[in-house]
Amino acid sequence: AQTVTQSQPEMSVQEAETVTLSCTYDTSENNYYLFWYKQPPSRQMILVIRQEAYKQQNATENRFSVNFQKAAKSFSLKISDSQLGDTAMYFCAFMTSGSRLTFGEGTQLTVNP
Amino acid sequence: NAGVTQTPKFQVLKTGQSMTLQCAQDMNHEYMSWYRQDPGMGLRLIHYSVGAGITDQGEVPNGYNVSRSTTEDFPLRLLSAAPSQTSVYFCASSYDGLAGAYEQYFGPGTRLTVT
Repeated sequence: AQTVTQSQPEMSVQEAETVTLSCTYDTSENNYYLFWYKQPPSRQMILVIRQEAYKQQNATENRFSVNFQKAAKSFSLKISDSQLGDTAMYFCAFMTSGSRLTFGEGTQLTVNP
Repeated sequence: NAGVTQTPKFQVLKTGQSMTLQCAQDMNHEYMSWYRQDPGMGLRLIHYSVGAGITDQGEVPNGYNVSRSTTEDFPLRLLSAAPSQTSVYFCASSYDGLAGAYEQYFGPGTRLTVT
């Protein structure tokens, strides 16, 4: 079975600064996908970024980028130039073929003005 | 497109009551699933379906039933509600990920309280 661990229950950052959220996972699969989802107070789940395990290049989406270390089974999310609207719960998630997602416990990020 | 819709948004039940949470999608997605979200925990998979007539259990299926008679709808039934089922429930859909990982689209969630 796959497990996903987010060891930082809460984090805070000043507006315009950079913050990194950590995620580790455990699996015996070789082909899989990793995701970061954002859940603002509205409760809506929003996909932030995805990474295919077979790709060595780290994914980037505007101010969001990942540091994917396959051997270490680590998948951290870096948010640059943090904005007040980035305040949310962030979930790391893992998927093998078949669309089933396994989520971590989440990290509550607060961006302070 | 309405995307993934869920009804109701909020529900309060008494222990032992039954109810059905509705989920519908208009994107012709094969894959649909139900998750529950409890405080301090991530979303956990309850049941999923890879197409009409096909369902399977996820990580926490006990106390819940599902069926998939059409591509669009995937209702979740609580036969005899228990306080342990107090949670926020999310429905999600995507194309079937046998050959890759497609983005999953989530509904807005249903907050269920069982007293």
